[in-house]
Amino acid sequence: NAGVTQTPKFQVLKTGQSMTLQCAQDMNHNSMYWYRQDPGMGLRLIYYSASEGTTDKGEVPNGYNVSRLNKREFSLRLESAAPSQTSVYFCASSEYRTSSYEQYFGPGTRLTVT
Amino acid sequence: QQQVKQSPQSLIVQKGGISIINCAYENTAFDYFPWYQQFPGKGPALLIAIRPDVSEKKEGRFTISFNKSAKQFSLHIMDSQPGDSATYFCAAKGGMYGGATNKLIFGTGTLLAVQP
Repeated sequence: NAGVTQTPKFQVLKTGQSMTLQCAQDMNHNSMYWYRQDPGMGLRLIYYSASEGTTDKGEVPNGYNVSRLNKREFSLRLESAAPSQTSVYFCASSEYRTSSYEQYFGPGTRLTVT
Repeated sequence: QQQVKQSPQSLIVQKGGISIINCAYENTAFDYFPWYQQFPGKGPALLIAIRPDVSEKKEGRFTISFNKSAKQFSLHIMDSQPGDSATYFCAAKGGMYGGATNKLIFGTGTLLAVQP
């Protein structure tokens, strides 16, 4: 049981390049999330998917797109990377139950845009 | 109204001491308040959580104190150990920021260093 996995672990991009961050979970969770973590800013929600087939914007969606490929996988795409997108990106998943709202996080992708 | 304000930004505590991290919120519709712990190079993991119908929850050396009238909650780490050195995030769920998902809004984080 791997939990939430993310690829790649590290990436360096030049301004204007595109890339896709991959995320997969094996816990059969309905909901998945993408966050970015920046010093002094905490974790900010980029996009989320409440269930397979649905996606919604979070706090900081500009410059990003997402795809909920199936129940297991949720990818984040940067179409034209900018230095402001240098950050650590975390994927998370959860199952909506009134008894537990825990989110399970992946190990993160450290992205540098030069 | 959707913010969760966390303080201090960093904290140094001696081994065996008490670490205290505070959070404040404005949205009275929030109905779930977790704390997440993050070690360097890892993703955050749930440490402990509380709902607003109780004023305190304790799990081992970790306690959440919740003050509904003041709209504040805090994490207390008793007998702090070097292994507790990590970044701690408070968070909140509910109201317009929640719905039928587990969407959370996070505080800005506190970097705790416990000196041996």
